[in-house]
Formats: sequence, structure tokens, C-alpha cells
Amino acid sequence: DAKTTQPNSMESNEEEPVHLPCNHSTISGTDYIHWYRQLPSQGPEYVIHGLTSNVNNRMASLAIAEDRKSSTLILHRATLRDAAVYYCIPSNTGNQFYFGTGTSLTVIP
Amino acid sequence: DTEVTQTPKHLVMGMTNKKSLKCEQHMGHRAMYWYKQKAKKPPELMFVYSYEKLSINESVPSRFSPECPNSSLLNLHLHALQPEDSALYLCASSQDTGTYNEQFFGPGTRLTVL
Repeated sequence: DAKTTQPNSMESNEEEPVHLPCNHSTISGTDYIHWYRQLPSQGPEYVIHGLTSNVNNRMASLAIAEDRKSSTLILHRATLRDAAVYYCIPSNTGNQFYFGTGTSLTVIP
Repeated sequence: DTEVTQTPKHLVMGMTNKKSLKCEQHMGHRAMYWYKQKAKKPPELMFVYSYEKLSINESVPSRFSPECPNSSLLNLHLHALQPEDSALYLCASSQDTGTYNEQFFGPGTRLTVL
């Protein structure tokens, strides 16, 4: 299983962009990179995922390094509702998710 | 309907009790998952069901017994639990077990073992 390394915590000012990094240097060629976030007392919520190319959706953008050993989740304008723990998860065969410790994002008004 | 529901929301049980957690989805998903989450820790995968068959058991103690009676329903039967089993139990589902599939998570059942 690919191991991930993320900063324990990050802070952002409201309405500023946020770049959340993830290192997954042991990822295999067929593992998708998923990003989820979890608000207190809730189940994890899907944010975005990709394989090789950069991806955009209404919530965020995902920038994947050319060698796929790292990725960055970009929230274009942080809001207070974006305060959560963010997990990057390489999904292996069988779509098994092994969560790392994640990054706790604090948004400052 | 893109929702995974879990019942009950909260459960308190003694070490000699038998109880069950229930998870349901009506998205036509054929893969379902159980995770355990201790306070301030990330979720840990317990079981994976694919097309109603158990495909992954992450060395979970036998006091946890999963069951998938049909493609929409996933149960977790609990018996002779220990206080250290107190946690948030999360259910998730996905279209199938392809690595490109998003997992949809339920809100969880918060279990307290006395």
C-alpha cells in the first residue's frame, strides 16, 4: 500500500487560496489519488480524484506531479466551511482506502 | 439518491451484549466497506464486500462479524466487545472496487462499550 505524508496542520485566511500538499512516493502506476475531507462528527466527504492529469471540479483543483510521487489539492478561495481534516489516499487494487494522518486545515476569518 | 444511511446514530452496549449496526445505500453500488475511527485518528479499513461477497478482512477480531444480505444492505454484528472497541464506525459504498471509484461515506455510528 502506498504511504502518504501530509503536513499535520495548515492555516489559511478566508477567501485566500490554499495549497495542501501530499507526498505519495511509493504509489503504483494504476493507483488513483483521491482526496477526501472530514468535518467534525461527520463521515469523510469526497473532494476530487485523478490519475495523471490535473483535475478540476466545482470544489477544488488537483495538481499531480509528472512523476506522480506527489500531488497538491488547491482550494481556490477558502471559506470557513472548508475547515476540516483533508486526506490524500492512493487507492490500490480493490479500491481499498488506507487513510494517512491527514492535514487539519484552519481557516481564519 | 446519493446517500449512505447508517443506523443507529449512537449505540451504548455492555461487554456481554449482542448488537448490530446497519448500513444502506440505494445507488446500485456493488462494493461496500466498513471502517473504524478512533477519536482524533484517521479511519481504518475493516472489511470490503464486492458483489455481496467478503473480499477483504483486515485481520479484524471475530467479535466483529460482517454480513451483506443483499446489494443494498450491509450489517456489522457485534458480540463480546471490549471497551477499546468504542469508536465511530463508518460505512461506505462505491460503484465497484475499481480504483477510480469514489467512495460515498455514511455519517457513522458512534459506539460506546461499557
